[in-house]
Amino acid sequence: DQQVKQNSPSLSVQEGRISILNCDYTNSMFDYFLWYKKYPAEGPTFLISISSIKDKNEDGRFTVFLNKSAKHLSLHIVPSQPGDSAVYFCAATGGGFAGGTSYGKLTFGQGTILTVHP
Amino acid sequence: GAGVSQSPSNKVTEKGKDVELRCDPISGHTALYWYRQSLGQGLEFLIYFQGNSAPDKSGLPSDRFSAERTGGSVSTLTIQRTQQEDSAVYLCASREPLQETQYFGPGTRLLVL
Repeated sequence: DQQVKQNSPSLSVQEGRISILNCDYTNSMFDYFLWYKKYPAEGPTFLISISSIKDKNEDGRFTVFLNKSAKHLSLHIVPSQPGDSAVYFCAATGGGFAGGTSYGKLTFGQGTILTVHP
Repeated sequence: GAGVSQSPSNKVTEKGKDVELRCDPISGHTALYWYRQSLGQGLEFLIYFQGNSAPDKSGLPSDRFSAERTGGSVSTLTIQRTQQEDSAVYLCASREPLQETQYFGPGTRLLVL
């Protein structure tokens, strides 16, 4: 039962163009979503997040869009740079609260390998 | 400031041996998580510690796996009688109170021969 899915295992983009990474989820209790970037032999690095009360969050070249009705989110990187080449994981959390914050357990997608060509 | 640290960075062991993996969370982070990433797979939740509350062990794959967190800071994940299917990268993450974002350590790469 995979609650968070990244259906594209890989994506190849030319430098300067837009990269769009997609993620779908099935659990309607998820209310907070995060994107992590992972380089080989390193732990995941937090990139950007979005709460379910929003439909867009932007941070520099990175924008995350959330479509709650479709249970779909996407990460846009504009313009893409060769240094963006990494594995990108979508993660979701929610469904319970303790002490004012969410339960916090992250459910991850399988990841998408992004390659940005110079 | 210092991030999450984990040790060892790599561990090779023989089937049937016990291993201990260590995580030092970011200072002040009350929540601590263990995940693992098997080859070609996404990250899988193992266990969650929040302050002095009882840990959520719902992700531990078998009773060979256990974890503890001493003094609300350092955590140790122990795998007894290791099996080849335990080979994976074990990742630790911590989170500060009232925030959602988890910060990950570099992981321990475990190989069971």
